[in-house]
Amino acid sequence: GENVEQHPSTLSVQEGDSAVIKCTYSDSASNYFPWYKQELGKRPQLIIDIRSNVGEKKDQRIAVTLNKTAKHFSLHITETQPEDSAVYFCAASMEGYNNNDMRFGAGTRLTVKP
Amino acid sequence: EAQVTQNPRYLITVTGKKLTVTCSQNMNHEYMSWYRQDPGLGLRQIYYSMNVEVTDKGDVPEGYKVSRKEKRNFPLILESPSPNQTSLYFCASSAGRTDTQYFGPGTRLTVL
Repeated sequence: GENVEQHPSTLSVQEGDSAVIKCTYSDSASNYFPWYKQELGKRPQLIIDIRSNVGEKKDQRIAVTLNKTAKHFSLHITETQPEDSAVYFCAASMEGYNNNDMRFGAGTRLTVKP
Repeated sequence: EAQVTQNPRYLITVTGKKLTVTCSQNMNHEYMSWYRQDPGLGLRQIYYSMNVEVTDKGDVPEGYKVSRKEKRNFPLILESPSPNQTSLYFCASSAGRTDTQYFGPGTRLTVL
């Protein structure tokens, strides 16, 4: 089945700096890669996702890149702000009915220092 | 308002006492899922359902049951809870397997 590894587990940056979180996956058939943000005491919420037919997607200060050959994808946050502090989860999934459903990484706790 | 609701939000119970956590969505989503969240382990899938009467095991199904008799509801049943099921539980729904998942507010369960 699919296995998703996420690094680093914690990340501390200064406000205005960039933050990068990386994930690797094991199943080459995976074709959907979402990123979720979970603020303290809240539910996870989707911030960006990418499908395997594109290599990069950007939404304002957030971007995701995908390298299918190497089976890894990354979240990039530029010009970080204190409100970006949260736990971020990557995940991998694939279309079609099979026994390998959505798998999440263990999460990265991002702290943005003012 | 489009939403996923869970009840109860907090529950303290004792070992062996059967309990049900309800989950309901009003978005007509076909796909629903249950996760447990434990420190350092991220979100681990317990069960998922692709549609009414179609359910499948996720990564950690032992000790749990689910049912999907109606499209909007996906209850999680713990027949005989044990302390290792103490966790934060999230229900989620989406239009399909590879669509945005909308999470419920979470249920914090403590089994003594």
